[in-house]
Amino acid sequence: DVKVTQSSRYLVKRTGEKVFLECVQDMDHENMFWYRQDPGLGLRLIYFSYDVKMKEKGDIPEGYSVSREKKERFSLILESASTNQTSMYLCASSFTGTGNYGYTFGSGTRLTVV
Amino acid sequence: KNQVEQSPQSLIILEGKNCTLQCNYTVSPFSNLRWYKQDTGRGPVSLTIMTFSENTKSNGRYTATLDADTKQSSLHITASQLSDSASYICVVSEAQKLVFGQGTRLTINP
Repeated sequence: DVKVTQSSRYLVKRTGEKVFLECVQDMDHENMFWYRQDPGLGLRLIYFSYDVKMKEKGDIPEGYSVSREKKERFSLILESASTNQTSMYLCASSFTGTGNYGYTFGSGTRLTVV
Repeated sequence: KNQVEQSPQSLIILEGKNCTLQCNYTVSPFSNLRWYKQDTGRGPVSLTIMTFSENTKSNGRYTATLDADTKQSSLHITASQLSDSASYICVVSEAQKLVFGQGTRLTINP
């Protein structure tokens, strides 16, 4: 089975801290994605990557950056955490090509910024 | 306007009963449509995926239907169980991009 592993289930950080959320997939997927999920707003795409060292902005990239140094790992970085970044963060990966076949989500990281 | 609309927003039924969740979409071009189940505090898990040429797809007690002409899909749950309590999300694949519905929150009461 494809596994997408997010390093933390729950995380509490202080305002202004630099926060790293890590995601690792084990199926050699080319594409990786970061979403946040908030009540009433559904899933919103933050950043995605189609290949190592490549990144593309999603719908809500402000306040975030990403890093993809290896194919299996995609990191989301909050340069200076703020309370409005309290949310559920979901990582996903898929094969390349149209249709996004093999699309698989991680278990999520619940981030609270205090 | 959201390109993927789900109804109802929430639904409460008794254990053992059947239910149907609806998804209407305007996404174009269309590659495939998926239904995901998301337990509280966890990531979404895929239930079914259908291309435009498929009308129905089953996964145990879950049956998804697709009418590509009217751009409507439904997810039917048979003989509901307490473990079916979750959010169900309809997702349409538009070439490289996924478009998410807001989800239906289903609660199964004993």
